[in-house]
Amino acid sequence: GAGVSQSPRYKVTKRGQDVALRCDPISGHVSLYWYRQALGQGPEFLTYFNYEAQQDKSGLPNDRFSAERPEGSISTLTIQRTEQRDSAMYRCASTGRDRYEQYFGPGTRLTVT
Amino acid sequence: ILNVEQSPQSLHVQEGDSTNFTCSFPSSNFYALHWYRWETAKSPEALFVMTLNGDEKKKGRISATLNTKEGYSYLYIKGSQPEDSATYLCAFYNQGGKLIFGQGTELSVKP
Repeated sequence: GAGVSQSPRYKVTKRGQDVALRCDPISGHVSLYWYRQALGQGPEFLTYFNYEAQQDKSGLPNDRFSAERPEGSISTLTIQRTEQRDSAMYRCASTGRDRYEQYFGPGTRLTVT
Repeated sequence: ILNVEQSPQSLHVQEGDSTNFTCSFPSSNFYALHWYRWETAKSPEALFVMTLNGDEKKKGRISATLNTKEGYSYLYIKGSQPEDSATYLCAFYNQGGKLIFGQGTELSVKP
């Protein structure tokens, strides 16, 4: 596609439910990053992939958060047993082989009630 | 623990003023330094990607410098315009591929 896309754009869920957030990177981009962004704050690194391999997941807050990119393209960030503190904007970004400029998706606004 | 710090946190200037912001980052394990412009409700957009000590980049009225040895970068805006109002984020890219963002400098330019 022309840019990074994410779905859904908005998600409201009840506490305790699982959610899956999807990121479709720019075609051919090697690296895919997940960030969480609180209101008025810069993006906070969660995890990233080179192709299908998860390179660094040190930013995932706890074991309720997981991510996968099984075919090296689309990625899913899953949050199990959601809590209110999980409410935030979740953004993904992709980058080419040179690992230079990151292209951000529009984000998924998650609200846990 | 990697720390990327930006100052000031916010800046209010009049149209026509020139401004500059600072980004400090770890001086070890450096791969690249990014500057992004971010308007609320939109995605961050890349301004500059800088990789070499002493790099200077320019795009219109906006320019940036990089000092990797001491771990800082400056972003300058000459003759600020209201449309420059946004949050300016810097991000440190380490050699392991991890990108760490600062908290941003929020710029408000009054006509």
